[in-house]
Amino acid sequence: GENVEQHPSTLSVQEGDSAVIKCTYSDSASNYFPWYKQELGKGPQLIIDIRSNVGEKKDQRIAVTLNKTAKHFSLHITETQPEDSAVYFCAASNTGNQFYFGTGTSLTVIP
Amino acid sequence: ETGVTQSPTHLIKTRGQQVTLRCSSQSGHNTVSWYQQALGQGPQFIFQYYREEENGRGNFPPRFSGLQFPNYSSELNVNALELDDSALYLCASSSIGDHGELFFGEGSRLTVL
Repeated sequence: GENVEQHPSTLSVQEGDSAVIKCTYSDSASNYFPWYKQELGKGPQLIIDIRSNVGEKKDQRIAVTLNKTAKHFSLHITETQPEDSAVYFCAASNTGNQFYFGTGTSLTVIP
Repeated sequence: ETGVTQSPTHLIKTRGQQVTLRCSSQSGHNTVSWYQQALGQGPQFIFQYYREEENGRGNFPPRFSGLQFPNYSSELNVNALELDDSALYLCASSSIGDHGELFFGEGSRLTVL
């Protein structure tokens, strides 16, 4: 089955700096890669996603890149703000019904 | 638009007992998925229900079972609870077909003593 690895497990940045979280996947059949943000006591919320026919996608301060050859994808958050502090999960799917999640990155933005 | 709601939010059970968790899917969604999230880990897929039938299952034993009702709400049942079943159980609704965005509820926190 699919195996998704995520790094780093914790990340601290100064407000205004950029944050980058990286994930690798093992199944070349995976073709959908969402990123979720989970705040304390809440369920994960989709923040951005990318499909395998696209190499990069951007939404305001958030961007995701995908390298299918190397089987890795990354989340980039620019101009970080304290409200960006949360746990971020990457995920991969090839069927649309089962998503494989990474182990999460706890991001702290220091004011 | 009504979001995904789960109940109960917290519960405590003892080893060997049975538990039922409930989920109401988001309006317009016909598919419900259940995930188990252990502390400090990512969510792990338990199963998905579509048209009241199981539509995919992760690596969980048969004592994890589910139901989907005509109104697309769902239940997760766990029998013979074990200590390792302690986790946050997340329900997510989506629309079948294309890779649908998963809309998660806030989860049910189960503690097994």
